[in-house]
Amino acid sequence: DVVLTQSPATLSVTPGERISLSCRASESVDTYLHWYQQKPNESPRLLIKYASQSISGIPSRFSGSGSGTDFTLSINGVELEDLSIYYCQQGNSLPTFGAGTKLELK
Amino acid sequence: QVQLKETGPDLVQLTQTLSITCTVSGFSLTTYNVHWVRQPPGKGLEWMGAMWNGGGTDYNSAFKSRLSISRDTSKSQVFLKMNSLQTDDTAKYFCARSYYYEDYVMDAWGQGASVTVSS
Repeated sequence: DVVLTQSPATLSVTPGERISLSCRASESVDTYLHWYQQKPNESPRLLIKYASQSISGIPSRFSGSGSGTDFTLSINGVELEDLSIYYCQQGNSLPTFGAGTKLELK
Repeated sequence: QVQLKETGPDLVQLTQTLSITCTVSGFSLTTYNVHWVRQPPGKGLEWMGAMWNGGGTDYNSAFKSRLSISRDTSKSQVFLKMNSLQTDDTAKYFCARSYYYEDYVMDAWGQGASVTVSS
């Protein structure tokens, strides 16, 4: 199975700052890497597909980059509503998820 | 309006069988795949398996032969059945869809069904 390692596990943020979350795969997943946001007691929501493709209805401050084994989710100007857990998921083989990065208020 | 809704028991006895139904609306099961993903309390997401739009299935090997996914397209329902439940199967169980040619891009999710396995 492909193992996805997300870092950091927790990130303390200040509203307005630009942040980057990392997801590393144990083997190449090409660009079959997707990002989800999960707020407390809610279902996950798709943010970015195929590493960098935007999703309709998702704010433009969210962007993704990377290919192969190294991927980044960036938030340009964090807002309070972005305080959530973010998961990466690979779809190059049977799906696996990373353990998540939790955004908290500094 | 796209909706997925999981229904099932809140409590299942140790070693018994779990059955959850995912009822969908706003899209067709012959155009979209449906996945099952679970999340133990306070933990991350685990993909369990999928019902493909063509009727085939795939499973996470971690569940070996105790997991079964089926569907009734006439009722727009997908079924999860898992036997030999243990306490570490306590989790919220989600169904999610992906478009037929975007195999693992889960673009809509149900609210989840919380299941506790009790001894």
